[in-house]
Amino acid sequence: DAGVIQSPRHEVTEMGQEVTLRCKPISGHDYLFWYRQTMMRGLELLIYFNNNVPIDDSGMPEDRFSAKMPNASFSTLKIQPSEPRDSAVYFCASKSQETNYGYTFGSGTRLTVV
Amino acid sequence: AQKITQTQPGMFVQEKEAVTLDCTYDTSDQSYGLFWYKQPSSGEMIFLIYQGSYDEQNATEGRYSLNFQKARKSANLVISASQLGDSAMYFCAMRERQSNTGKLIFGQGTTLQVKP
Repeated sequence: DAGVIQSPRHEVTEMGQEVTLRCKPISGHDYLFWYRQTMMRGLELLIYFNNNVPIDDSGMPEDRFSAKMPNASFSTLKIQPSEPRDSAVYFCASKSQETNYGYTFGSGTRLTVV
Repeated sequence: AQKITQTQPGMFVQEKEAVTLDCTYDTSDQSYGLFWYKQPSSGEMIFLIYQGSYDEQNATEGRYSLNFQKARKSANLVISASQLGDSAMYFCAMRERQSNTGKLIFGQGTTLQVKP
């Protein structure tokens, strides 16, 4: 199993540009989570999906952020327009509902908005 | 209100000694799960250990053990025989409602440095 795959690993973009982060969860996992990590705020949950349906998006900072999960093997997190304060590491994680604890994280995408 | 509190921003330990990383939590649920993750400098999040609120015994995984004190709402991580490779950031996390899958809420983390 390749684990949770995120792309790109690093992204540098200019303020105002659209940014799309991608995630492929582990096959068979029912849940997918998007987290953001910053020095100031730590690890925050942005949104999570169950069977491709968004369940809780209360952590999404504002309308500039959107997330989709068109099928069980792919999710995107889009920021449009991007701002310097969006600079962070964005993690995707997935989990099967068959276990209580099997949250697997991807390697993260380090986003820098200049 | 802070749900997960890690009061030690940074810790030092001598190689081969044991170290305890503190974690307290706040929940009104009777059923919940507690987790510890390790984040080395390379940035990935590595799952270490899990404790369910109804588990009677403290969880152990190799050199890691979780000192679960339910009445005090604490879930401290004990690393025995520290190794240089244990130097990393450690996060405590909680999922409320143990029987249902839900989001993990993380503490602010503790940076551990192992001295040779």
